[in-house]
Amino acid sequence: DGGITQSPKYLFRKEGQNVTLSCEQNLNHDAMYWYRQDPGQGLRLIYYSQIVNDFQKGDIAEGYSVSREKKESFPLTVTSAQKNPTAFYLCASSISAFGQNEAFFGQGTRLTVV
Amino acid sequence: GENVEQHPSTLSVQEGDSAVIKCTYSDSASNYFPWYKQELGKGPQLIIDIRSNVGEKKDQRIAVTLNKTAKHFSLHITETQPEDSAVYFCAASGGTYKYIFGTGTRLKVLA
Repeated sequence: DGGITQSPKYLFRKEGQNVTLSCEQNLNHDAMYWYRQDPGQGLRLIYYSQIVNDFQKGDIAEGYSVSREKKESFPLTVTSAQKNPTAFYLCASSISAFGQNEAFFGQGTRLTVV
Repeated sequence: GENVEQHPSTLSVQEGDSAVIKCTYSDSASNYFPWYKQELGKGPQLIIDIRSNVGEKKDQRIAVTLNKTAKHFSLHITETQPEDSAVYFCAASGGTYKYIFGTGTRLKVLA
């Protein structure tokens, strides 16, 4: 089945640790996105990539990093510089880089700082 | 910057009644307007979308209307059912290759 897969579903991080969230798609989509979701604030864009080996900062990129070495993979690293990382993280992809087509979302990763 | 305002933040309706959610966008270059439904603990799923060359689109009990002049678009759900209960997000894109989402509407359908 084609789709977008995020792992793990739940992740716990200690203070000062970096953690990496996985996002893989087998839809052959060019564009991929990372969003952060907090209660009452909707979806805020962290990073996006329009094509392999290229990515751009979104509205809340501080404390996060990404890579796009393969078309199907767009991992997100939450660094120790992110002071309030507890949130629900959503990865999405779309067929074109121009944001005019359906975005397919993964099931999300819930990150908690312990 | 680009912005999408969504109202109301919560909406309760009786089963069988209609529900309307409204969004306003700021970027006049936006030309694609999807609506997503998110159930608890899951990722959003597209339920309907509309492009700027169309004023209205229907899919069974769901319809979306677009007023480009006023930069408004709305989601209409008729004959609501308990399984319609979820959080609904509007979005706009096209101007800067990004999807800009509204803050969401929590819809509760009361049986």
